[in-house]
Amino acid sequence: DAGITQSPRHKVTETGTPVTLRCHQTENHRYMYWYRQDPGHGLRLIHYSYGVKDTDKGEVSDGYSVSRSKTEDFLLTLESATSSQTSVYFCAIRDSGNQPQHFGDGTRLSIL
Amino acid sequence: GDSVTQMEGPVTLSEEAFLTINCTYTATGYPSLFWYVQYPGEGLQLLLKATKADDKGSNKGFEATYRKETTSFHLEKGSVQVSDSAVYFCALSDRDSNYQLIWGAGTKLIIKP
Repeated sequence: DAGITQSPRHKVTETGTPVTLRCHQTENHRYMYWYRQDPGHGLRLIHYSYGVKDTDKGEVSDGYSVSRSKTEDFLLTLESATSSQTSVYFCAIRDSGNQPQHFGDGTRLSIL
Repeated sequence: GDSVTQMEGPVTLSEEAFLTINCTYTATGYPSLFWYVQYPGEGLQLLLKATKADDKGSNKGFEATYRKETTSFHLEKGSVQVSDSAVYFCALSDRDSNYQLIWGAGTKLIIKP
């Protein structure tokens, strides 16, 4: 299994609070991704990174920011959480070139 | 743009039945094709992949052949088990889209004993 750890695995918080999710990899892969998964919407890309300090937006980036200060860590921040951000969040990593993405176990986030 | 279409579920089969989950794609370049599986409460696992036309990916008894002439990558298994119950996602990536994954909607498979 790819060395990907997401933390926390579960979180319940209130509307308006900041939330940070962490993705940690031990594979030294260049690319890292954050997705959200919701019933009826499948997987949607939030942000991705193609190197340290290099990030870009995905299709549903509003309300989210990311940071990557080290190769192994990719943080997803909800500055002011809203109930619409209740979801399961997955991190993925990919080596360079035409390689598949490998996924973490997910974080279940509930915003009340 | 690129897209992936897979058959809607749920697909319900009896144990030991033959499985086919259809997946077709549209792409301007020469994509790689993937099947991922998600078991209940878990993350997505790469099941198999194919990188060029006529390649056959296989894993855990599942197979899929990259058919460029029909733009398809159908997932098959000869004899399913209850433990195969999961959601299956077809996806593609290509260099033109910087290897971002384009996802199908997922097909839920239910195997009854």
